[in-house]
Amino acid sequence: AQSVAQPEDQVNVAEGNPLTVKCTYSVSGNPYLFWYVQYPNRGLQFLLKYITGDNLVKGSYGFEAEFNKSQTSFHLKKPSALVSDSALYFCAVTPGQAAGNKLTFGGGTRVLVKP
Amino acid sequence: DSGVTQTPKHLITATGQRVTLRCSPRSGDLSVYWYQQSLDQGLQFLIQYYNGEERAKGNILERFSAQQFPDLHSELNLSSLELGDSALYFCASSVETSGETQYFGPGTRLLVL
Repeated sequence: AQSVAQPEDQVNVAEGNPLTVKCTYSVSGNPYLFWYVQYPNRGLQFLLKYITGDNLVKGSYGFEAEFNKSQTSFHLKKPSALVSDSALYFCAVTPGQAAGNKLTFGGGTRVLVKP
Repeated sequence: DSGVTQTPKHLITATGQRVTLRCSPRSGDLSVYWYQQSLDQGLQFLIQYYNGEERAKGNILERFSAQQFPDLHSELNLSSLELGDSALYFCASSVETSGETQYFGPGTRLLVL
């Protein structure tokens, strides 16, 4: 069975400082990894994904994530956080090719960026 | 705007009742997924349809059912509702190929009283 862990329920960061949201996963084979963001009373918005290739993935709104196979991690990063980045962030995994496309989500990390 | 639409946005009903949630996928997407988001269970996959056929099932209760119609819109039917069914229900769509990004609708917030 696949699983995703987001060890921090909340991350607080000052505007302009680097932001990191942690994610580790457990899945057999080669996983596909995703990050989504949820603003209040909104649906999930896709940020970025890792399928294969370069371990550093760049996505929307200046976010990037690094895939680390040995540590089974896929941490989300942004070099300089904005107040508007305050939201709920979800890491998700699918088991990879030929194994279906259902997303398994982590518990979410609330990001609060203070001015 | 993801291009996925869901109706209604909010639904308030009583225990024991039945409701239908509707989802229209993005233009060109053949696959529709349903997810439930609740405080205690988090985000959970319920069921997937591809071009009218059920493709995968997750933690979906027997009281719940879904279908995808020839025009590719999907409906999630929830019956014999219980207080614990109160949640946010999301629909997502994608091209079927594994690894394709799923784009989520705004959700339907269900409150069972």
